[in-house]
This record gives sequence, structure tokens and C-alpha cells, in this order.
Amino acid sequence: AQSVDQPDAHVTLSEGASLELRCSYSYSAAPYLFWYVQYPGQSLQFLLKYITGDTVVKGTKGFEAEFRKSNSSFNLKKSPAHWSDSAKYFCALEGGGSNAKLTFGKGTKLSVKS
Amino acid sequence: GPKVLQIPSHQIIDMGQMVTLNCDPVSNHLYFYWYKQILGQQMEFLVNFYNGKVMEKSKLFKDQFSVERPDGSYFTLKIQPTALEDSAVYFCASRGTITEVFFGKGTRLTVV
Repeated sequence: AQSVDQPDAHVTLSEGASLELRCSYSYSAAPYLFWYVQYPGQSLQFLLKYITGDTVVKGTKGFEAEFRKSNSSFNLKKSPAHWSDSAKYFCALEGGGSNAKLTFGKGTKLSVKS
Repeated sequence: GPKVLQIPSHQIIDMGQMVTLNCDPVSNHLYFYWYKQILGQQMEFLVNFYNGKVMEKSKLFKDQFSVERPDGSYFTLKIQPTALEDSAVYFCASRGTITEVFFGKGTRLTVV
């Protein structure tokens, strides 16, 4: 079984601050990990992924994430945050195999105040 | 970039009726998915489809649900009959090989 936990339903910070959105996962083997962003009324947009190799991955819109096997985490970071980063962010895990389904966390709603 | 198109964007239907949601996946993609998102909640996997067959389905994929992609045309999700709890946004997604999954903008289904 695979699962993703995003413990923070809401995060609010001021523009210019550093943001870090938490994500932890449970999976018995090496996971593929993703971050997606969803703006209101829109679909999910891919931000970045970790497959293997360098544990810090850089994505679109200035985001990066760090894979930490020791505590099964894949936190999303950006500095500085901008008001346009306000959206809902989803962490997802793909457990490998040919089916390649994504298991999503419940999402973190980020509000960046200008 | 690659786009997954979903038709229609909104659908309102009477409970008990049949509805078909259409998805035009990215050209040359091989894997297709449907996800369900109830307002404000997480995306939940329904089903994936490869080479003309359902590969895996979740417990949310009720007997009233079916998927197909006849002759490489639209990838469809059919619900027959619909129930009130089927109201949600349904996202279609597709992928090639080891690439990210591309999502459509969703079809908001309202069952009344």
C-alpha cells in the first residue's frame, strides 16, 4: 500500500518569506515523487519530480524539493515567495510498475499575502 | 506544451441518467487515467487504462462506471446510472513512458 501525507491543510505567509510545504510518504520500495500545483478552477500543473539521483530537484516557477529517505519526506521549497504562488499544492507518489498510478496527498492551500 | 482536452467542461444531469465524459489525451501517450476530485478535497484515483484494457481500478470505480477508448478516439468515462454522490470534478490524465502525467482541466459533473 502507498500513501502520502500533507500535514498542513493551510499555510499563510507574507510575500518575500521562504515557504516550505511538507510532504511525507509511505511506500515499501523506491518511490517516484511529484509536486503539482492547482490554481482555482484549473487543473493540476506539474512542478517537479524525483525519480533517482540528486536528492534536491528543481522545478518550474522557482520551486525545488528535497527527497529525504531517512524520514520519508519530500518537502517543497521556494524563496522568496510571491503572491502569485497562492494556490493549492499536491504532493504525489507513484509506486512504479506499469500501472503508474499517482497517489495524492490531501493538498496544502498556500496563501501568500502581499 | 502537451494538452489533455476534456469535453464538456460542465455537465448537469438528472440522477439515474447516463453521462459520458470525454477526454482527448496527448497524442502518442499510452496510459490513460481518470481521477475524481470532490470540491476542495484531494484527487482520488479511479482507473487506469492501457492497451485497450483496464489495468487497475480503485474502490471508487463502481460497477456503474466504465471506460473505453474505441479506435484511438476519445478516452471516455461512462456512468450509468448516475447517483448524487457522483457529483465531482473528473480529471482525465495521460502519460507516455517515464514522463510526468498530464492532466486535463476537468469536467465538473453535477447530478441533481
